[in-house]
Amino acid sequence: DIQMTQSPSSLSASVGDTVTITCRASLGISNYLAWFQQKPGKAPKSLISAASSLQSGVPSKFSGSGSGTDFTLTISSLQPEDCATYYCQQYNSLPLTFGGGTKVEIK
Amino acid sequence: EVQLLESGGGLVQPGGSLRLSCAASGFTFSSYAMSWVRQAPGKGLEWVSGVSGSGGSTSYAGSVKGRFTISRDNSKSTVYLQMSSLRAEDTAVYYCAKGQGTTIISTDYWGQGTLVSVSS
Repeated sequence: DIQMTQSPSSLSASVGDTVTITCRASLGISNYLAWFQQKPGKAPKSLISAASSLQSGVPSKFSGSGSGTDFTLTISSLQPEDCATYYCQQYNSLPLTFGGGTKVEIK
Repeated sequence: EVQLLESGGGLVQPGGSLRLSCAASGFTFSSYAMSWVRQAPGKGLEWVSGVSGSGGSTSYAGSVKGRFTISRDNSKSTVYLQMSSLRAEDTAVYYCAKGQGTTIISTDYWGQGTLVSVSS
């Protein structure tokens, strides 16, 4: 199975900051990488697929990049509503696997 | 509007069985793979199983292989997860998720989840 490692596991930033979350795959996965946002008590929401393609309705403050084994999710102009846990997921091969998550908080 | 409604969760004893259902609407069900993803209390997301749009291809996480069976009824726009030989570590919220294509790849819409508790 492909292992997905996210860092950091948590971060605290100020309103208006730009934050970056990193996801590393144990094997190359081309661009078969998705990002999800999960708020407490809610179902996950899809943000990005194919490493950098925003899902419909997702604001452009979210952006993704990377290919192969290293990927990033960037959130610009952080707002209180962005507080959530973010997960990456590879879908290059089965079984699909998630990263451990990154909890984003406001300082 | 895509809607996914899970049902069938509840409290079950270790070694018991349970069948989850996910009723879908708002899209051409047979054109999309479906997945089940679970989240143990306070933990991260774990993909459990997926089935292709036709139902002809299925896949499982190693932790559930041989104990869980995914299936779908395209005439009813419903996907199922039959769970047997349940263990305490299967306790989780189980989410149904719509795939982004006919094969088992990433997902774009998720249901609200159904809680499965395995305890004596």
